[in-house]
Amino acid sequence: QVQLVESGGSVVQPGGSLRLSCAASGFTFSAYGMHWVRQTPGKGLEWVTLIYPNGNEKYADSVKGRLTVSRDNSKNMVYLQMNSLRTEDTGVYFCVKDCSLGGDRDHWGQGILVTVSS
Amino acid sequence: DIVMTQSPDSLAVALGERATINCKSSQSILYRSNNKNYLAWFQQKSGQPPKLLIYWASTRESGVPDRFSGSGSGTDFTLTISSLQPEDVAVYYCQQYYTSSRTFGQGTKVEIK
Repeated sequence: QVQLVESGGSVVQPGGSLRLSCAASGFTFSAYGMHWVRQTPGKGLEWVTLIYPNGNEKYADSVKGRLTVSRDNSKNMVYLQMNSLRTEDTGVYFCVKDCSLGGDRDHWGQGILVTVSS
Repeated sequence: DIVMTQSPDSLAVALGERATINCKSSQSILYRSNNKNYLAWFQQKSGQPPKLLIYWASTRESGVPDRFSGSGSGTDFTLTISSLQPEDVAVYYCQQYYTSSRTFGQGTKVEIK
């Protein structure tokens, strides 16, 4: 069965950096896109980014230029590099396996907390 | 981006009574190639991550009680809890996964009257 486990959450000061990781198992990782979705006090549930199987990336306007997604298909891992963090980035970050049109449903991890505070 | 709008923002229902939540998308999320609506419903209890209840607008996730049902097509969707139980107190979200930039409704808080 699909399993997604996020790690790397922490408390970080505004302007700081953090890297989140997501370990995937139970499916052919290299064949699927992977999203990051976050839940923040200010905006609720918000899509952040998608990395396609071919490595192409797509970002929400609110994070462009500050957050970068990457993947390592040899390790079944997806990463979210978070730079120039702001207090409004505080929230729970979820790793999500893309189902794509034609598929049935996305699969979500349990989430990891990121707190940006001085 | 597709805008998802839920109504109402909150509702209080007596135990055993029906709860109905509506969700409207700003454009159709029906994928004509398989005739499926790419609409999911989530339940979120306090301090927990969102839990998938319904996908394809009307397919219950494994293990979800049959008092939860989803309906609708195109741009208008409904989540119904046929007989509200104490454990159903939660915030419910709809989400479209038709486009790569997923979008969510603002949430509907369900309480016991």
